[in-house]
Amino acid sequence: EVQLVQSGAEVKRPGESLKIPCKASGYSFTEYWIGWVRQMPGRGLEWMGFVYPGDSDDRYSPSFQGRVTISADKSITTVYLQWSSLKASDTAMYYCARLRPLGYCSDGACPGAFDIWGQGTVVTVSS
Amino acid sequence: DIQMTQSPSSLSASVGDRVTITCQASQDISNSLNWYQQRPGKAPKLLIYDASNLETGVTSRFSGGGSGTHFTFSISSLQPEDIGTYFCQQHDSLPITFGQGTRLEIK
Repeated sequence: EVQLVQSGAEVKRPGESLKIPCKASGYSFTEYWIGWVRQMPGRGLEWMGFVYPGDSDDRYSPSFQGRVTISADKSITTVYLQWSSLKASDTAMYYCARLRPLGYCSDGACPGAFDIWGQGTVVTVSS
Repeated sequence: DIQMTQSPSSLSASVGDRVTITCQASQDISNSLNWYQQRPGKAPKLLIYDASNLETGVTSRFSGGGSGTHFTFSISSLQPEDIGTYFCQQHDSLPITFGQGTRLEIK
């Protein structure tokens, strides 16, 4: 079965660091981009960025560039979303999702559909 | 960035009704448009890709259409399990952007 499994809820204080995992299984890990999507409480979906585990190439939304780091560890088929200094405004649900390609990926476009989703990780940042 | 605008933002309909949601792109995105369903408390689920292609295993009551800047998502006969929020998403250019969502309820 193709699946992405995320870790449980995290509660952190402002200024702390955090790295949340997304474990992939059931398919060739290095052949699909995996992205992260933020959903703030009661709000819509925001694409943050994604990584191609085959060569660690990555793309970020300008809204999140420099604020988070997305990485992959091929040895354990896991993708990570990392913050070095959390803010209260980072409080949200975070989903990882596999991108099924619908075209060639370049610097300006990466055509695809998010066909497999993790169950989500709730991150709460509060003093 | 390409802005995606969905309408309506919420919708209440009866079981058996035909329901249609629209998604407008701020520029021409050809057919680079996907639709997702998010049931309450769950992760999103891919329903339609490239504007009109039904994802494997998804009910044929769902359909999508349109191209360019105007897109539609329809449910032919609304069922209780269809409640949730529906999002469109463009993949024509980075950054990937989503519509704000349409919350669907049963009357």
